[in-house]
Amino acid sequence: QVQLQESGAGLVKPSGTLSLTCTVSGGSISSNKWWGWVRQSPGKGLEWIGEMYPSRSSNYNPSLESRVTISEDMSKNQFSLKLTSVTAADTAVYYCARELDHISFDLWGQGILVTVAS
Amino acid sequence: DIQLTQSPSSLSASVGDRVTIACRASQSISSYLCWYQKKPGKAPRLLVYFASSLQSGVPSRFSGSGSGTDFTLTISNLQPEDFATYYCQQSYTTAWTFGQGTTLEIK
Repeated sequence: QVQLQESGAGLVKPSGTLSLTCTVSGGSISSNKWWGWVRQSPGKGLEWIGEMYPSRSSNYNPSLESRVTISEDMSKNQFSLKLTSVTAADTAVYYCARELDHISFDLWGQGILVTVAS
Repeated sequence: DIQLTQSPSSLSASVGDRVTIACRASQSISSYLCWYQKKPGKAPRLLVYFASSLQSGVPSRFSGSGSGTDFTLTISNLQPEDFATYYCQQSYTTAWTFGQGTTLEIK
């Protein structure tokens, strides 16, 4: 079955760039699906970061849009998240996820904690 | 942005109880509303999509209803594994948003 796994640096310095990769196994990211990212800051709720359809389109949270990019690497069956100019407020568990019919997330990675600190 | 307001923010219930969680949208979102269950240290789990469609593998004691601006998630015959935080999420606009969450605790 399809599985998602996040990877990337767990510690990022303030003003630096957060970079995460989601590796999809058991299926292809080019399988007519949208893929996205969600985060949860400590003690807070879920926050939608954005989504992308490989080689076609992407949408982002307006509050993050100036700093975020979601892209794909079809050759590696991966998609990635880049968030620039990070601050402590970007400390969170980041989840990658697959969309169901472009209306909800039906499959999630286990999540990865990213801490922004010097 | 479309704001989603959940009520209550927390509630206590006992095994076997029936509980209802509400989610109100700041404008009409048709039926583009889903519900997730979130436990500490675990990824969210999709329960209901398109307001009332039960995701595959989710027990039938979970049900969703509503359209427009008002939605509810009902859990009948609460089981020990149901104590968690529940979130609603809208996908009516290209900028998706989540509710602030409702924590369901054991009484």
